[in-house]
This record gives sequence, structure tokens and C-alpha cells, in this order.
Amino acid sequence: GQQVMQIPQYQHVQEGEDFTTYCNSSTTLSNIQWYKQRPGGHPVFLIQLVKSGEVKKQKRLTFQFGEAKKNSSLHITATQTTDVGTYFCAGNFNKFYFGSGTKLNVKP
Amino acid sequence: GAVVSQHPSRVICKSGTSVKIECRSLDFQATTMFWYRQFPKQSLMLMATSNEGSKATYEQGVEKDKFLINHASLTLSTLTVTSAHPEDSSFYICSATETPDTEAFFGQGTRLTVV
Repeated sequence: GQQVMQIPQYQHVQEGEDFTTYCNSSTTLSNIQWYKQRPGGHPVFLIQLVKSGEVKKQKRLTFQFGEAKKNSSLHITATQTTDVGTYFCAGNFNKFYFGSGTKLNVKP
Repeated sequence: GAVVSQHPSRVICKSGTSVKIECRSLDFQATTMFWYRQFPKQSLMLMATSNEGSKATYEQGVEKDKFLINHASLTLSTLTVTSAHPEDSSFYICSATETPDTEAFFGQGTRLTVV
């Protein structure tokens, strides 16, 4: 099936440091979504990117969709302990395939 | 946001029995529902896609006779794990969308343990 590659697998940062996770697809995506899953919880929708080169911001979170609609990134500025969790991208190939996720740990 | 209810949240069953998991969209009509399986510390693996009124489309490697999916209405899809074995123990989660390009809302997930 279709695959969305996501890196890094884990990221440990000190509170206040920045964090970025990246997703790549070998084929063009219709759109891409980002989710956050807290430990023990279910994925919660963060945002959807549709247009080539799109950039969206949610407070300290910045989401980008590549020009070729094959890659995307999520950047968190000045992480907080509340940002802890696993961040997944989900690429739309007429159905959503999830990346492997990046587990973020923030040390206070 | 929209609500998707998944039931039960936890189930323990004996090996060889069948277990049914329900996924309901409470405040919108879900033309498409997706079923995922998540192993500990791993990502969500798409098992199948179900569209209301038609047969589910299974991903490669997923046994359709073992994981029976029914999407009989626009608000309900069910996943039945038949003749469950310990290796079927996992976290199963559904998601639902109103249209293929819109946001997917996830259920709370079902932790299945087969003993």
C-alpha cells in the first residue's frame, strides 16, 4: 500500500527548545493531516493542509505542505511540557495512511 | 468538533471466540469509516475502509474473513474479530469522515485482549 515516511521516531527536548517532525511521500498527496496522540489516548486532529506550499499556524505550531505536495512538516516553537505526545501525519491517497509518528518528550 | 463513539473501550475474550466492536458517528453522516490497528509504541495501521452500503476494502495482508466489517448505515460501522487468538490482541480504532477529503474524527479506541 501507500506509505508515508515520518522522521524522527523519537525526539527529546528541553522545555523551551524547538521541535520539528517531517513527513515524506513518494507520490503526490491530495492533502495531508496532522494528529496528536497523548499517551493512552486516541489521535486528535490538529490540521489539514491542501494547497501546494501551504503554511498554517496554530499558536506555537507551524505546519507546512511542500510545493510538490509530497512532504510536510510540523514545527513547534518553544516547546512546553503539554506538547508531550506522539505526532502523526496522515497522507490522503483517497484514504488516509499514517506516518510512523514522532514521539516527543519534553523535559521541564 | 464532531463525535465518534467507539464501543467497547476494553474487552477481554477467550481464544476462539468472536468480538464485535462498534463505531458510531453521533452528529454527522459518515459516508466512509476507516478501521486501524495500533500495536504498542507503533503507528496506526490501516486495516480496511468501509463505505456505507458496500463491501469493505481491505488493505494488503489483512484477512477479510477474520476481520469482518459491516457498514450498514451512515452512522454505524462494526468490526468483528472472528475466532480471536492472542496475536489479535491490540488496540483497534475507527475513524469516520463525512466526505473523503474532510477531517477524520477518531473513536476512543478498543483495547482487545485475547486470553
